[in-house]
Amino acid sequence: EAQVTQNPRYLITVTGKKLTVTCSQNMNHEYMSWYRQDPGLGLRQIYYSMNVEVTDKGDVPEGYKVSRKEKRNFPLILESPSPNQTSLYFCASTLAGGPSDTQYFGPGTRLTVL
Amino acid sequence: QKEVEQNSGPLSVPEGAIASLNCTYSDRGSQSFFWYRQYSGKSPELIMSIYSNGDKEDGRFTAQLNKASQYVSLLIRDSQPSDSATYLCAVLYNTDKLIFGTGTRLQVFP
Repeated sequence: EAQVTQNPRYLITVTGKKLTVTCSQNMNHEYMSWYRQDPGLGLRQIYYSMNVEVTDKGDVPEGYKVSRKEKRNFPLILESPSPNQTSLYFCASTLAGGPSDTQYFGPGTRLTVL
Repeated sequence: QKEVEQNSGPLSVPEGAIASLNCTYSDRGSQSFFWYRQYSGKSPELIMSIYSNGDKEDGRFTAQLNKASQYVSLLIRDSQPSDSATYLCAVLYNTDKLIFGTGTRLQVFP
């Protein structure tokens, strides 16, 4: 089944404890992206990747890191999480080299930073 | 600052009616526009894309684009309770940046 998977789905952590949210797609998509969704602010892009080893900042990259060592994986790293990073996070991928194509979203990761 | 504006709602319509969802955007140069549907607790899914002025129909859904007015809308005919969701408008800027609106919550009551 073609899908985007994220792990974990739910995470409660404390300020400053490094964490990684994994994202994997099995559709051989080139473009992958991370978003955060907050009430009243909508979906905002954190980072995106046009292809392996190519990443770029979105609108809200501060406090996040990403890597794209393999085409299928695009992990989101929070080196020192803070409470303002409490949010719902979505990974997405598209077949083509950008978001002009259909974006397939993962199920979401709800992160709480205490 | 690139912006995409939507009324947050909720927009309440009776079953069988036409639901009209609206979106305005700030960058006159934008060329690609999308409507995503997001059920509560779920991830967004693409339901319509539109690139040219005018109407584009797909089943009960019609997307309308007016670039001169920087306005895009989504009409849902014969609305069903299963259409109750948040509808996100998204606009593509510079071919690589997709900006989402905050969404309009639609409620279809029997």
